Amino acid sequence: ETGVTQTPRHLVMGMTNKKSLKCEQHLGHNAMYWYKQSAKKPLELMFVYSLEERVENNSVPSRFSPECPNSSHLFLHLHTLQPEDSALYLCASSQEAGRGETQYFGPGTRLLVL
Amino acid sequence: QKEVEQNSGPLSVPEGAIASLNCTYSDRGSQSFFWYRQYSGKSPELIMSIYSNGDKEDGRFTAQLNKASQYVSLLIRDSQPSDSATYLCAGGTSYGKLTFGQGTILTVHP
Repeated sequence: ETGVTQTPRHLVMGMTNKKSLKCEQHLGHNAMYWYKQSAKKPLELMFVYSLEERVENNSVPSRFSPECPNSSHLFLHLHTLQPEDSALYLCASSQEAGRGETQYFGPGTRLLVL
Repeated sequence: QKEVEQNSGPLSVPEGAIASLNCTYSDRGSQSFFWYRQYSGKSPELIMSIYSNGDKEDGRFTAQLNKASQYVSLLIRDSQPSDSATYLCAGGTSYGKLTFGQGTILTVHP
């Protein structure tokens, strides 16, 4: 595996389900990110982790819970989601969590909440 | 509200022409700027990054930054149909935080 991988690629869940999205980066980076991309809206940063420590939480509802057990893995735990949470969820990584760092994106998980 | 604004397009240019994509930003704390290309159903991939005022060229792509005017642009020379995609402009601030524009859809027709 190379770059940034995400699983699953597609997910359909009901509003009462609990599911998790997984991201793994094979680039030796120290920072990882979760983004949400909805139709007709800009990419929205959700969370930033640097060396497994959360450094940014962009006013995301508590029904989204991130977890970063090590610098290569990032999870997004989902529970009691709403239909408006249906979107493409993108994971990214960069060498450091700095302002000039290039972020590399994974393929995304397309989520549909029924 | 810290924002990055782009013309949503769609921008349509003939093959071989120059495509010009523009972006303005409101956060003067932004120090780095990025252009990503996103094909339909795919994730964004980096095209160019620029940090200093002036031009930066990479092959057919030229990024321009004017911090005084809070303006970033991307020029694509000799546009090809394979350049048809959504182009995302992003400004970087602290802790790796990127603020993205809504994207400009570019279509290059043969």
